[in-house]
Amino acid sequence: EIVMTQSPDTLSVSPGEGATLSCRASQSVSTSLAWYQVKPGQAPRLLIYAASTRALGVPARISASGSGTDFTLTISSLQSEDFALYYCQQYSDWPPLTFGGGTKVEIK
Amino acid sequence: EVNLLESGGGLVQPGGSLRLSCVASGFTFRNYAMSWVRQAPGKGLEWVSTMTGTSGSTYYADSAKGRFSISRDNFKNTLFLQMDSLRAEDTAVYYCAKGLEGYGSGGIIFGHWGHGTRLTVSA
Repeated sequence: EIVMTQSPDTLSVSPGEGATLSCRASQSVSTSLAWYQVKPGQAPRLLIYAASTRALGVPARISASGSGTDFTLTISSLQSEDFALYYCQQYSDWPPLTFGGGTKVEIK
Repeated sequence: EVNLLESGGGLVQPGGSLRLSCVASGFTFRNYAMSWVRQAPGKGLEWVSTMTGTSGSTYYADSAKGRFSISRDNFKNTLFLQMDSLRAEDTAVYYCAKGLEGYGSGGIIFGHWGHGTRLTVSA
């Protein structure tokens, strides 16, 4: 099973600042990695797939990079709607499909 | 517009059973893999099960194997999750998710999600 590890657990950021979230895989997943945004009471939302491809409707201020075992999600100039939980997921080797433990982006 | 509406959650005693449903609309249901993903209180997302569209192949997390059964009715555009021998650790919000694409690895990228249905397993 591929274990996904996200850091940090919580990121405190002021609106307008940038945020960088990390995701590490226990073995290479190539670029078979997705990022999701989760807000309380809402349906989770796909942000990124294939490590760096933005899903439909995702703003350009959200970007991602990486391959192999190390991945990054970057949000430039955080808006109010960006404060949420973020999860990475590998789909390279399954079952099982595995998620990271999540990073909470909170208002500083 | 893709819409996924889960139902069937509730309060169940340990050892009990429950069937979740997810009614889909806005796309050709039979062409897409569909999955269940859950989130326990205060915990992260956990993949539970996936069923492919045309072939109907099924896949399960170890935590679900032998207790849960995923199925679908491609005529009624509905996905199901039959859950038996429920345990306290199955308490979670259960989300229905649609594959981003109708083929290959796109089926296990969760392109659309429902709002979830809550299951509580408690005596």
